[in-house]
Amino acid sequence: EAEVAQSPRYKITEKSQAVAFWCDPISGHATLYWYRQILGQGPELLVQFQDESVVDDSQLPKDRFSAERLKGVDSTLKIQPAELGDSAMYLCASSDRGVGANVLTFGAGSRLTVL
Amino acid sequence: AQSVTQLDSQVPVFEEAPVELRCNYSSSVSVYLFWYVQYPNQGLQLLLKYLSGSTLVKGINGFEAEFNKSQTSFHLRKPSVHISDTAEYFCAVIKFGNEKLTFGTGTRLTIIP
Repeated sequence: EAEVAQSPRYKITEKSQAVAFWCDPISGHATLYWYRQILGQGPELLVQFQDESVVDDSQLPKDRFSAERLKGVDSTLKIQPAELGDSAMYLCASSDRGVGANVLTFGAGSRLTVL
Repeated sequence: AQSVTQLDSQVPVFEEAPVELRCNYSSSVSVYLFWYVQYPNQGLQLLLKYLSGSTLVKGINGFEAEFNKSQTSFHLRKPSVHISDTAEYFCAVIKFGNEKLTFGTGTRLTIIP
């Protein structure tokens, strides 16, 4: 079964350092999402890509977060500088076009701990 | 205002007993509804979805949910739970015209042997 790949699974960093997460969606999926899930809460959308274009980044803290999907395939989410409040699980998801557009498949996530 | 409300943050249930996890949504337009399950330190896995058609939806692992438009609810049920069902369960909604998947705060299901 096709999966969404994410790395690293776990990342521990000190505040003010830079950190990056990588996501490879299911092959052929046009839409890619990055969600942040703080412990004890539901995931919240940070950014949504349609192919290589950003369609929603209204909840992305743009002063420190950036995301790109240059060739419309894999994606990188970067945080610089990291703050204590950024400790969370970062989830990547993808979805297909057409009737599959509303069904998201999630990766295993990248858990970030900022010390 | 919350789009999705999961009133129960934790639900303990004895093994082989039935369970219902409650989900209510708020929307003036039509919606798509989903239940996802998250096992410890893992991503989210789709349990079931309501897009259209029959209001009773069957999913994986013996779970089912019923879309009730008049009560704006989409409660998740299982007639007999197992230890392996211990996980966090998230209800989520997509509103027509918004196309953004919004999650509830989750319900932690604990199975008591």
